[in-house]
Amino acid sequence: DQQVKQNSPSLSVQEGRISILNCDYTNSMFDYFLWYKKYPAEGPTFLISISSIKDKNEDGRFTVFLNKSAKHLSLHIVPSQPGDSAVYFCAAALYDKVIFGPGTSLSVIP
Amino acid sequence: EAGVTQFPSHSVIEKGQTVTLRCDPISGHDNLYWYRRVMGKEIKFLLHFVKESKQDESGMPNNRFLAERTGGTYSTLKVQPAELEDSGVYFCASSLVGGGTDTQYFGPGTRLTVL
Repeated sequence: DQQVKQNSPSLSVQEGRISILNCDYTNSMFDYFLWYKKYPAEGPTFLISISSIKDKNEDGRFTVFLNKSAKHLSLHIVPSQPGDSAVYFCAAALYDKVIFGPGTSLSVIP
Repeated sequence: EAGVTQFPSHSVIEKGQTVTLRCDPISGHDNLYWYRRVMGKEIKFLLHFVKESKQDESGMPNNRFLAERTGGTYSTLKVQPAELEDSGVYFCASSLVGGGTDTQYFGPGTRLTVL
């Protein structure tokens, strides 16, 4: 039973365009959401987060949007760069536990 | 400052053998987590240490897995005896404060292959 879902296993985007990565969750008790980025042969690294009391958080080229009523969040990357090519994990936190989604592999084509 | 380190980076063993994975967290981080990613699926929580105590071990799959963190510094995860389904990448992460809102810093992972 997957509580955090990323239904697109992969995504290809042209350099300079917007990348939109989507994430759905099932547990309305989650109170904090995070995005991690992972390069091959490395561990995930924290990218950006959002509290459940907010609907948007922005950090440079990265913006996370949260729609609590739809139990949906998305990560926008604008403009996309080839160095953004990686696997992106959506994660949701409840108390001390962080639950990860399966990841979306983003390829940014030069 | 050194990040989270894990050893070995790869391990190939036969079914029934024993393997011990090691994680060295960032210095000063009381919270240490083990995760596992199987077959490119989601990263699944295994357990959480606060210093040397197991805060939450609800994700440990069965009693073939034993995690320790003696002295509250590095941690080991032993699998004995290993089964085919134990294959995957084992990640360790550490954080300073703990809790879901605290950033966890991940190690590069140990890729375990059980033949």
